[in-house]
Amino acid sequence: QKEVEQNSGPLSVPEGAIASLNCTYSDRGSQSFFWYRQYSGKSPELIMSIYSNGDKEDGRFTAQLNKASQYVSLLIRDSQPSDSATYLCAVTFYSGGGADGLTFGKGTHLIIQP
Amino acid sequence: GAVVSQHPSRVICKSGTSVKIECRSLDFQATTMFWYRQFPKKSLMLMATSNEGSKATYEQGVEKDKFLINHASLTLSTLTVTSAHPEDSSFYICSATQTHGGPQHFGDGTRLSIL
Repeated sequence: QKEVEQNSGPLSVPEGAIASLNCTYSDRGSQSFFWYRQYSGKSPELIMSIYSNGDKEDGRFTAQLNKASQYVSLLIRDSQPSDSATYLCAVTFYSGGGADGLTFGKGTHLIIQP
Repeated sequence: GAVVSQHPSRVICKSGTSVKIECRSLDFQATTMFWYRQFPKKSLMLMATSNEGSKATYEQGVEKDKFLINHASLTLSTLTVTSAHPEDSSFYICSATQTHGGPQHFGDGTRLSIL
């Protein structure tokens, strides 16, 4: 069974600091990895996607993937109060027969303190 | 780009009613659409995977006769909750993807409340 684990938090970070969010997954066959941001009562919004080992940077966000350790992380630099949200780690496995649905972690609730 | 529209955003109805939710990809053709459900303070759970012109694939524990999915075109999928009951009250969210294994883009969700 595919599982995605995240620390539910809340994770409290001062404004301007780096927020570090972590995620582990159980299925070694997982191929695509995503970070979504979800505000309360809203649907998820894609922040980052990463497919190969290493770092991927996009603005203030950096995703890191280590397939050997089955570990994905998201760093948010210069954290802003508007970054306060629940961050969902999601993993999918492309079976070859078609796209697979996302397996989500329970999310980490991030609070940026002004 | 990659906009997914979901309608309606909120439904309140009596027990026993059937409710239809539409999901449209507005600016791209979606190879696959997905339906998720999210209960309060829980994460999203995949209900079913829908490919245009073929039967949906349901996750274990999801009743296919209760949650009817139709995927008539590359830009439209519908979910019908038949004979809804209070325990079906939840936040239903669709997503669509252009490429296998690529990112999924989510609609705004439908909050369903069954009285």
